[in-house]
Parts: sequence; C-alpha cells; structure tokens
Amino acid sequence: ELKVEQNPLFLSMQEGKNYTIYCNYSTTSDRLYWYRQDPGKSLESLFVLLSNGAVKQEGRLMASLDTKARLSTLHITAAVHDLSATYFCAVWRGARFGNEKLTFGTGTRLTIIP
Amino acid sequence: DSGVTQTPKHLITATGQRVTLRCSPRSGDLSVYWYQQSLDQGLQFLIQYYNGEERAKGNILERFSAQQFPDLHSELNLSSLELGDSALYFCASSPQSPSSGETQYFGPGTRLLVL
Repeated sequence: ELKVEQNPLFLSMQEGKNYTIYCNYSTTSDRLYWYRQDPGKSLESLFVLLSNGAVKQEGRLMASLDTKARLSTLHITAAVHDLSATYFCAVWRGARFGNEKLTFGTGTRLTIIP
Repeated sequence: DSGVTQTPKHLITATGQRVTLRCSPRSGDLSVYWYQQSLDQGLQFLIQYYNGEERAKGNILERFSAQQFPDLHSELNLSSLELGDSALYFCASSPQSPSSGETQYFGPGTRLLVL
C-alpha cells in the first residue's frame, strides 16, 4: 500500500528565510500534487508534477519531483507571512497500478514569524 | 471563489442517521472528487466520478455511496452515521480525467457533526 510521508509536520520560520518541505512516497506513482490549506478554509491546488525532474514555480514557492528517489520538495524562498498555511502533498496512482487512488501526506503546518 | 459549490455548509445529525451532501462542479468540469478531512484520519480521498461514471475509489466506507448525475452535479450519501464520521467533506472538480494531470478546484466543504 502506498504511504506518503511529509516532514516536518510543523515548521516555524522567520520572514525572509528559506526552507524546504519534504514529501516521500513508498511506491512508484504517476504524479504528485501540492496543496495549500488556510485555517478553516478549503484546499487550493498549487502544483501538479508529472514526471521525473519536473520543477514548477509560483512566486516564492518552487516544487520539484525526483521519481527515482520517490521524493518531492516544496521550497519556500524569502518567506512572507502570507505563506502561513498547512501544505499537503498527494500522490496519484493511475489505472495501470490497479485501482486509481490519490493518497495524501500528513501535512506540514507552516507558520511564518515576523 | 473556485466555482465549486457545496451544500449544506454545516450539518448536525445523530448517530444512525443518513445524510446527503451535494456538490456542483465548475461549469464544464467533467470530473468530481470527494474527500474527507478529520483530525483522526487526516485528509483522505473517497471517490471520483468522471462524466457520470465511477472512475476511482479511495478509502470510502461501504456505508457511504456517491453518484454523479447527467447534469454533472454529484451527491455523497452517508448512512448509519457514527461519531467517527464527523469531519469536513470536500468536493473538487477538474475539466478532464486525472490522467491529464489537471489541477483540481475545491469547494468550501461541508462540515458534518454526528452527535
């Protein structure tokens, strides 16, 4: 069974600093998603990573995928308070693996401190 | 505003009861997904429909069922409710199937409390 692990679970960082959230998954999969969730709110899709070496960037966030290592990273550059949220990665296994299914990581609660 | 609507926003009911959650996808989106978020289980994918047909099944209990109607709206039916079913239920939609790797757009969620 596919397992998706994120670390750290909690992260406090100062404004202006850089940091990385890691997402490891246990078996070969088709694609990887990153989502953001603000407290009490719904989820917002950030990135979809489709292939090995894929890199996507939006503002201060950059996501990458290494399918050989089964690892995705979400890098935060020069953090600002608005980035405080919980970030989830999720891994999709398509029909070629049997039952199509999306499996979420535990989430990383990010707090940006002024 | 993602364009995905869910009703009701809040639902309080008793154990053993049955409820129906409704989702209207963005205009033109063919895929609808259901998710459950709880403190115990985290965020879980329940089920996905594409153009009226079940496409993928996640950790959906047998007491739960869903369908997508010809107008593409979807309903999630939860029966024989237990305390542990209390959670936030999200619906999401995307234009095509997951194979295309498209972004999903999430609704605001329905918060279910089972007493």
